[in-house]
Amino acid sequence: HLQLQESGPGLVKPSETLSLTCTVSGGSISGRSYYWGWIRQSPGKGLEWIGSIFYTGSTYYNPSLKSRVTISVDTSKNQFSLKLSSVTAADTAVYYCGFGDVFPPDYWGQGTLVTVSS
Amino acid sequence: QSALTQPASVSGSPGQSITISCTGTSSDVGGYNYVSWYQQHPGKAPKLMIYDVSKRPSGVSNRFSGSKSGNTASLTISGLQAEDEADYYCSSYTSSNTGVFGGGTKLTVL
Repeated sequence: HLQLQESGPGLVKPSETLSLTCTVSGGSISGRSYYWGWIRQSPGKGLEWIGSIFYTGSTYYNPSLKSRVTISVDTSKNQFSLKLSSVTAADTAVYYCGFGDVFPPDYWGQGTLVTVSS
Repeated sequence: QSALTQPASVSGSPGQSITISCTGTSSDVGGYNYVSWYQQHPGKAPKLMIYDVSKRPSGVSNRFSGSKSGNTASLTISGLQAEDEADYYCSSYTSSNTGVFGGGTKLTVL
């Protein structure tokens, strides 16, 4: 029974890089043929798929965010990460990590709120 | 990529059945059997209710069912209960190797 937990700073300054980590427990990232991904939800808004990564390292990104997004996986730590550069207030959201057979992910963590503000 | 189209709101009385639609294109909903539905209560993380168009994860009530016809997927909730009041989102894999969500539907149980 896989469980996911997001972690990272809750406050990021404009123009800086948002960095989040998702720690997977209950199983090995490299032992599963899943896509591991990130989704966000701006306050009072809908869901937005950010991107996903296969455990081999192949990445897939939302075209609207692709120029600013990097998703990576660290199988030794059983974690995968999100980096979003040049953030603005529009990037303020609850960020979820998740996994599934395709993307967007089907099973998600509890989410973490990231606020972009000076 | 354009978001999938869902009605902004639907409502129903306890015991009734409601259906929420999710309309895409042949490049997403119509092209693949990778449509999922999520339920989100206020302040909570979305919960998977249906995956692969019509499959229910373990523990999800059989009052929830999914289907697809052409470019439109549907979520039906039968025997509506007060606890079903929530926001519902659909999602799909796309031919561009991306994922896309619907805009969400607010279900009100009258």
